[in-house]
Amino acid sequence: SQQGEEDPQALSIQEGENATMNCSYKTSINNLQWYRQNSGRGLVHLILIRSNEREKHSGRLRVTLDTSKKSSSLLITASRAADTASYFCAPSGNRDDKIIFGKGTRLHILP
Amino acid sequence: ETGVTQTPRHLVMGMTNKKSLKCEQHLGHNAMYWYKQSAKKPLELMFVYNFKEQTENNSVPSRFSPECPNSSHLFLHLHTLQPEDSALYLCASSQPGTAIYGYTFGSGTRLTVV
Repeated sequence: SQQGEEDPQALSIQEGENATMNCSYKTSINNLQWYRQNSGRGLVHLILIRSNEREKHSGRLRVTLDTSKKSSSLLITASRAADTASYFCAPSGNRDDKIIFGKGTRLHILP
Repeated sequence: ETGVTQTPRHLVMGMTNKKSLKCEQHLGHNAMYWYKQSAKKPLELMFVYNFKEQTENNSVPSRFSPECPNSSHLFLHLHTLQPEDSALYLCASSQPGTAIYGYTFGSGTRLTVV
């Protein structure tokens, strides 16, 4: 199992703007997942991108994956107050990997 | 509701008490997990169960004792805890072959040890 490293650690943007956060990892992966955690709550699985995919969309979320650079990005378009949360990436090398979480990116949407 | 239910949501216990946290899922998942989230620290994976068998224990102190009587239920028995054990305890479940499908988390139990 490996842990992703999210960047930046914290991000504050105005409501309506786009938010971009990045994830780097160290060894080759089978897929990479993104999760959201609202304060004091459990994590919610947002999206999974497989190693043979370069981009994936889900509503206002857009995830990219660059396996040559061992990095992924999560873009949230037209941000809303409800997007205020911590976001975690979870790279996985094989089906038996356990998900190990990093420190995440704390996103704060300003009114 | 995510399909993974944790009870209680909040728990305050003294260092000499014995209490249990409960996690229940009816998603048909066969893998279940306990994570600990302390303030300003990343989530720590504590225990992993696959088909009711413990397959991972990440050097967790023996004052934490997990139990998985069936694939739908997971408990964390607590005794003689320390104040530093105060944290959010999260349960998750998945299909085996975890990383392919992602995890479903409960809302957590906020534990305070006094």
